Amino acid sequence: DAKTTQPTSMDCAEGRAANLPCNHSTISGNEYVYWYRQIHSQGPQYIIHGLKNNETNEMASLIITEDRKSSTLILPHATLRDTAVYYCIVGKNTGNQFYFGTGTSLTVIP
Amino acid sequence: GAVVSQHPSWVICKSGTSVKIECRSLDFQATTMFWYRQFPKQSLMLMATSNEGSKATYEQGVEKDKFLINHASLTLSTLTVTSAHPEDSSFYICSPTGTFDQPQHFGDGTRLSIL
Repeated sequence: DAKTTQPTSMDCAEGRAANLPCNHSTISGNEYVYWYRQIHSQGPQYIIHGLKNNETNEMASLIITEDRKSSTLILPHATLRDTAVYYCIVGKNTGNQFYFGTGTSLTVIP
Repeated sequence: GAVVSQHPSWVICKSGTSVKIECRSLDFQATTMFWYRQFPKQSLMLMATSNEGSKATYEQGVEKDKFLINHASLTLSTLTVTSAHPEDSSFYICSPTGTFDQPQHFGDGTRLSIL
């Protein structure tokens, strides 16, 4: 079963930062937080992941709270192509199955 | 990043037909393969896990005789939906995984429509 909860949907104005929250209060010490997104009729696309520290890459930033019970994915300048369902998943290193929650449907508005 | 090729991307067939879906990892060796399915407006649901050369492990409620998984090599796994019926219409997605410390990647999915 999924170990994360996310808001069902969010809107964001084009060009503004999109902040997507995720709660994972039962995360274990050796579990990572992964973020994927799924654009309609495609497979999930990897965005970013982290264990304890905040992470940044060319796509997004990941902010993990000190107690690791929640995190926020930040898309710094949302574009229309960022409209997708965003999934927050907790899991161990590669080799373990992912259990997807319902995700957040992000709509970027012109 | 890792390259995953899933084929076909879309298939329509008559009820009672068996359909084979292929998933290839093009630039890494996939010791484990995860198969998911996704019904409209729902999230991905894990169906089964297979390790190269071993029998697959199926999630509760997934019929192993209905969904045959073959993972005979480190670069290819197949999912066969046997005697497909309209209720098997769904979006099937593979996720091969190999070395640790690499985020998992997913195929682009196969949309299966059974008439």
